[in-house]
Amino acid sequence: EAGVAQSPRYKIIEKRQSVAFWCNPISGHATLYWYQQILGQGPKLLIQFQNNGVVDDSQLPKDRFSAERLKGVDSTLKIQPAKLEDSAVYLCASSLRGPTNEKLFFGSGTQLSVL
Amino acid sequence: GNSVTQMEGPVTLSEEAFLTINCTYTATGYPSLFWYVQYPGEGLQLLLKATKADDKGSNKGFEATYRKETTSFHLEKGSVQVSDSAVYFCALSDHGSGNTGKLIFGQGTTLQVKP
Repeated sequence: EAGVAQSPRYKIIEKRQSVAFWCNPISGHATLYWYQQILGQGPKLLIQFQNNGVVDDSQLPKDRFSAERLKGVDSTLKIQPAKLEDSAVYLCASSLRGPTNEKLFFGSGTQLSVL
Repeated sequence: GNSVTQMEGPVTLSEEAFLTINCTYTATGYPSLFWYVQYPGEGLQLLLKATKADDKGSNKGFEATYRKETTSFHLEKGSVQVSDSAVYFCALSDHGSGNTGKLIFGQGTTLQVKP
């Protein structure tokens, strides 16, 4: 089966610019996640969708980050304006229902460098 | 709050050596515990899991036992191979009352196996 697709693979921008990432989860997976992984740290959940509704966005910096999952399939994550500390790998993951006891499938991530 | 702590890396071993990567956790509810692995250039993938105390998860020769009394979930393998070189992440999913069950990751431990 096809895995979780993310694009772009790499992105370099200057601070205060905006950037958007795209994710297409595995077909049929109701739950979609965006994680931020800063170098040397474990992934941190930014937002979790169940179909097209938000389940958890408690760690999303809402003054600059936004995410949507229209039609409950693919999703975009946007940063506007970017800061230096946003440099990280942004991971998208999906699961059939939810994370409890369940396997998450991760994409390869988008590596963002903010200069 | 919930958290996961892993031993510092990198861990460098010779082929066929015994591997232990320590992981301890703090959780308010009844977490499920996971090990995810990230091979070079690939996305994170589930290695094994355990959903209740005294459960043992196993896969590809790796094992980890859910120890509630020591709040630990150490990863072990009796004989490592060069192909096991990767970054290993311990994680928990707390699906207790009031929790969404989101995955919380440790910081990751890099394993390098030399021939």
